[in-house]
Amino acid sequence: DTGVSQDPRHKITKRGQNVTFRCDPISEHNRLYWYRQTLGQGPEFLTYFQNEAQLEKSRLLSDRFSAERPKGSFSTLEIQRTEQGDSAMYLCASSLFPPDDSPLHFGNGTRLTVT
Amino acid sequence: DQQVKQNSPSLSVQEGRISILNCDYTNSMFDYFLWYKKYPAEGPTFLISISSIKDKNEDGRFTVFLNKSAKHLSLHIVPSQPGDSAVYFCAASAYNAGNMLTFGGGTRLMVKP
Repeated sequence: DTGVSQDPRHKITKRGQNVTFRCDPISEHNRLYWYRQTLGQGPEFLTYFQNEAQLEKSRLLSDRFSAERPKGSFSTLEIQRTEQGDSAMYLCASSLFPPDDSPLHFGNGTRLTVT
Repeated sequence: DQQVKQNSPSLSVQEGRISILNCDYTNSMFDYFLWYKKYPAEGPTFLISISSIKDKNEDGRFTVFLNKSAKHLSLHIVPSQPGDSAVYFCAASAYNAGNMLTFGGGTRLMVKP
């Protein structure tokens, strides 16, 4: 068990650029979640996958945000036309289903700074 | 609307004493509750959980209490150790709803030697 891996750890980009983050879950985990955390707040749910199916995406913050998990293993989160308000920590988590209440295991996150 | 609230942003306790962290929720559909611990530059780490059919769950020095009628839960750490110093997040979900956790804003615990 090597844990959830996220790449890159830090990303600095200019407003208007597109960015993509990668998450590699724990290998046997079939569920994968994306969260965003801003300073002084708790993580905020964005979207999740079960295998390759994206089961909830209504909480992605805008249509500039999209996520994929094409083969049910790693996932990418893309933000198009970044804005300064997108600056945050983006966290990925994975879990094994069933059961539905299996604890989420988080990666160390990707910190995005939009200048 | 904040469905999960941690009203104390910080808490300071002496080593060896009890730490009590509190959490309130408003969504009556929540029936599974968790506590996560977070160190700087790391992701949250699962600590302990409780389902709504219980009112207490213990794991070593950590105990979570759930009061469903008050929509309140608490985490007790006894005895507190300096290594427990971290930010603690309360989280909740509704069963069979994809385990999409709703987090509180966190409480920073400082345990002084």
